[in-house]
Amino acid sequence: EDQVTQSPEALRLQEGESSSLNCSYTVSGLRGLFWYRQDPGKGPEFLFTLYSAGEEKEKERLKATLTKKESFLHITAPKPEDSATYLCAVDTGANSKLTFGKGITLSVRP
Amino acid sequence: ETGVTQTPRHLVMGMTNKKSLKCEQHLGHNAMYWYKQSAKKPLELMFVYSLEERVENNSVPSRFSPECPNSSHLFLHLHTLQPEDSALYLCASSQDRQTGNTIYFGEGSWLTVV
Repeated sequence: EDQVTQSPEALRLQEGESSSLNCSYTVSGLRGLFWYRQDPGKGPEFLFTLYSAGEEKEKERLKATLTKKESFLHITAPKPEDSATYLCAVDTGANSKLTFGKGITLSVRP
Repeated sequence: ETGVTQTPRHLVMGMTNKKSLKCEQHLGHNAMYWYKQSAKKPLELMFVYSLEERVENNSVPSRFSPECPNSSHLFLHLHTLQPEDSALYLCASSQDRQTGNTIYFGEGSWLTVV
């Protein structure tokens, strides 16, 4: 059975304090790994798709990386507006069915 | 105008009521989805439609009934729900059901069953 585990469950950072969010997965065959951001009371907002080990993508203060077992979302010098829940999901090729992790709630204090 | 629009944003219904959630996508996509998000749980896929044909029903109780009249619109009809059905219901769409396609979500409909 495909599994996605995100850690830590919650993370509190001071503004400017860089850190990383982890998404580890156990799947039969990875076809794509997705990162989403979700603000309270809203739907998930697409951030990145990674397809193969070694791939990296960046957007502003966020950088996503992928290995054969896990993905990291690195946040450089975060700001309070980066506070949100970050979701990781994997696509194993089963008819676009994504398997999601439980998410990581990030809180950035000014 | 956002890519995927859901209405209503909030809904409170009694266990004997019948209500519907509506979703419209403006992205020209051919696949649409209903997901359920409960507190402290991962998103759960409920239904998948491809070119208006239901292609997946993920063991969802019959009190949830989806309808896809065309590739831009998706409904979720609700009847005789239980309090444990209270959750955020998310509509999503993708270009098609090909592997690796990005799925885009709407803002969600908060459902409370009393």
